[in-house]
Amino acid sequence: NAGVMQNPRHLVRRRGQEARLRCSPMKGHSHVYWYRQLPEEGLKFMVYLQKENIIDESGMPKERFSAEFPKEGPSILRIQQVVRGDSAAYFCASSPNRDEKLFFGSGTQLSVL
Amino acid sequence: QQQVKQSPQSLIVQKGGISIINCAYENTAFDYFPWYQQFPGKGPALLIAIRPDVSEKKEGRFTISFNKSAKQFSLHIMDSQPGDSATYFCAAGGATNKLIFGTGTLLAVQP
Repeated sequence: NAGVMQNPRHLVRRRGQEARLRCSPMKGHSHVYWYRQLPEEGLKFMVYLQKENIIDESGMPKERFSAEFPKEGPSILRIQQVVRGDSAAYFCASSPNRDEKLFFGSGTQLSVL
Repeated sequence: QQQVKQSPQSLIVQKGGISIINCAYENTAFDYFPWYQQFPGKGPALLIAIRPDVSEKKEGRFTISFNKSAKQFSLHIMDSQPGDSATYFCAAGGATNKLIFGTGTLLAVQP
């Protein structure tokens, strides 16, 4: 059973470009969470999705950020018009149910030049 | 109220010693307290977790102690090994796995 798969592992974007981060949850998991980790800081919750639904997006900036988890395919975290402050490691996690333990992917390191 | 405070920021322990990391929370609605271990370049991996109905949970060399009245919990790593060198995060959450993480403790176990 493959773990949570994230790609790309590293993504470099220039200011103003768009970043798309992908996450394939573990097989059988329908709950996906995105977290952001800044250097020397803990992980900050961004958004919680279940298939085709956003359950909680209270940690996501209101502008430029969006997330989806379609019926088919991976979950996507999209950042439009990236700025240097968006540079961080973005982690995806999945679970089979809302109150079971989270399994994290290896993350996508986004660097904005 | 959503913060989880973690200390120390870094810790150096000799091989065979006990590593102790502490966390404190404010929101009494939290009912799930996991610890995660993270190696460089990797995602966090669940180490051990506790719910507030027990005061201690042990799994191998790892023990969580939980003090509900003080709103504190700690991780003890017995017989620490160089392979335990990593960053450790405590977290707290409720019913939806929306976890609030501490700021992390960088543990170095010297041979």
